Amino acid sequence: AQSVTQLDSQVPVFEEAPVELRCNYSSSVSVYLFWYVQYPNQGLQLLLKYLSGSTLVKGINGFEAEFNKSQTSFHLRKPSVHISDTAEYFCAVSDRGSQGNLIFGKGTKLSVKP
Amino acid sequence: EAQVTQNPRYLITVTGKKLTVTCSQNMNHEYMSWYRQDPGLGLRQIYYSMNVEVTDKGDVPEGYKVSRKEKRNFPLILESPSPNQTSLYFCASKGGYEKLFFGSGTQLSVL
Repeated sequence: AQSVTQLDSQVPVFEEAPVELRCNYSSSVSVYLFWYVQYPNQGLQLLLKYLSGSTLVKGINGFEAEFNKSQTSFHLRKPSVHISDTAEYFCAVSDRGSQGNLIFGKGTKLSVKP
Repeated sequence: EAQVTQNPRYLITVTGKKLTVTCSQNMNHEYMSWYRQDPGLGLRQIYYSMNVEVTDKGDVPEGYKVSRKEKRNFPLILESPSPNQTSLYFCASKGGYEKLFFGSGTQLSVL
């Protein structure tokens, strides 16, 4: 069975600073990886996903993530954050062997301060 | 418009009074899932379904039931709600390995 660990529950950062949200996973099989974002009082929406191919994946709103198989990581990065990036970010994993049940991490709250 | 519809949006009930939260999707997705979201605990999966008449337990199934009699609907049933089931609930669906489509959520309070 898969599991996901998001190492930071809260990340405060100043506007225009770079940010990295960390995600590690464990699985006995090959996986697909996702990042979802939840803005205050809203549902979740897909930020980006890794299915195959290039290990550097670009998503919406200037975010990108890099799949590192040897370190079983899928960290999310943005070179310069905005106030509007304040949200909760969830890393998720599904295995490739079936239709893919999706397991989520506990989330990281990103707070961008002026 | 492709969407997952959850109802109700808000629900206040009392301990022991059976309730059902409905979930319907219009995308012909085979996979549907229920999650609960609690502060500091993230999204925890309650039940999921890979297809009609196929359901499986997630991480926190105790106190919940589901059914999948038709592809579009996946209701969540709380036969005897308790205060520890007060939470924000999300239904979601997807086709294959594509993204999850989420409902707007149901905020449940059990008094």
